[in-house]
Amino acid sequence: EADIYQTPRYLVIGTGKKITLECSQTMGHDKMYWYQQDPGMELHLIHYSYGVNSTEKGDLSSESTVSRIRTEHFPLTLESARPSHTSQYLCASSEYRTDTYNEQFFGPGTRLTVL
Amino acid sequence: KNQVEQSPQSLIILEGKNCTLQCNYTVSPFSNLRWYKQDTGRGPVSLTIMTFSENTKSNGRYTATLDADTKQSSLHITASQLSDSASYICVVSDRGSTLGRLYFGRGTQLTVWP
Repeated sequence: EADIYQTPRYLVIGTGKKITLECSQTMGHDKMYWYQQDPGMELHLIHYSYGVNSTEKGDLSSESTVSRIRTEHFPLTLESARPSHTSQYLCASSEYRTDTYNEQFFGPGTRLTVL
Repeated sequence: KNQVEQSPQSLIILEGKNCTLQCNYTVSPFSNLRWYKQDTGRGPVSLTIMTFSENTKSNGRYTATLDADTKQSSLHITASQLSDSASYICVVSDRGSTLGRLYFGRGTQLTVWP
């Protein structure tokens, strides 16, 4: 089991609330990622980071923002949640490797429901 | 467009039986292909990873094959158990970026009945 944690595991909130989804890893990995996954659909990359003070947007446009102040911590924030943000959010991390085995380790996910 | 297609979309088998899941991809340039197992409400967990030079890899009762020429992969599960019920996701990585971008299939939902 990978040492990557996400909190909360489940969150139900009302429209307009600000939320932060937490992600931490204890493996010392430089790269971290946020994915969004709807039921029965593929994972979509929404944010990633190469290391401290590095953040990039992924393939899927998202109104969320991320920060990377510490290596082990990669929180995701929604300033004003809407029902369209209802989804599962998965955090992942990987070490920086120059070979082809760039394995990503996933956290358990946060199931977000916006009413 | 880089894509990963999986079949079947869902599968029901009886405990103890074998099954094979399929994955076709168009990702180029190809770096590696992984199979992940995702339990309901959990994050994906890696089962196998193969580069273009590897055509088979096993992990216990799971055996993955790769044909880089036809861009096809399969995951064979032997002597299925109830705990094998999960979504199995095929993921292909390209060689074209330092990010090692991953392309995900939608998964095959496997249900094992007693």
